[in-house]
Amino acid sequence: AQSVTQLDSQVPVFEEAPVELRCNYSSSVSVYLFWYVQYPNQGLQLLLKYLSGSTLVKGINGFEAEFNKSQTSFHLRKPSVHISDTAEYFCAVSENGGATNKLIFGTGTLLAVQP
Amino acid sequence: DAGITQSPRHKVTETGTPVTLRCHQTENHRYMYWYRQDPGHGLRLIHYSYGVKDTDKGEVSDGYSVSRSKTEDFLLTLESATSSQTSVYFCAIKETSGVDTQYFGPGTRLTVL
Repeated sequence: AQSVTQLDSQVPVFEEAPVELRCNYSSSVSVYLFWYVQYPNQGLQLLLKYLSGSTLVKGINGFEAEFNKSQTSFHLRKPSVHISDTAEYFCAVSENGGATNKLIFGTGTLLAVQP
Repeated sequence: DAGITQSPRHKVTETGTPVTLRCHQTENHRYMYWYRQDPGHGLRLIHYSYGVKDTDKGEVSDGYSVSRSKTEDFLLTLESATSSQTSVYFCAIKETSGVDTQYFGPGTRLTVL
């Protein structure tokens, strides 16, 4: 069975500082990996995804993530955050080629950007 | 915008009453999903559909049923609501083309008193 671990429930950071949100997964098969962002009182918006190919994936709003198969990680990074990046971030995994494409989510990380 | 709407957006109901939430899509996607979001749990899959009248259970399906009689509508029913079903419910679709990317609706906040 697949699982996703986001160890940090909350990450406080000052504006213009770099940030890394950690995501580790467990799976016995190859996977697709996703990061979603949820702004207050809104739905989930796709930030970026890894399906295959280059392990460094660039997404919207200046975010990027690196797939590391040996460490089963997919950490999200941004070199300089803004107040507007304050949101909850969810890492998710689905089975590569699975017929139903079910997503397994982590518990989320709240990024709190302070001025 | 994947053309997904959910109704109602907010609902307060009492324990023991039936509740139906609706997810509507405008782009003819085959796969549709219902998730619930709770603090400390992230999103968990309740049920999903892979076509008209084709549905299956997710990891937290107890107390929920679904129906899909038309491609565009996926209904989630709580037969007899309980306080443990107080949650935010999200519908998602997977695009038929492309690969394995789900897009989410705006959510329904349900409170069961």
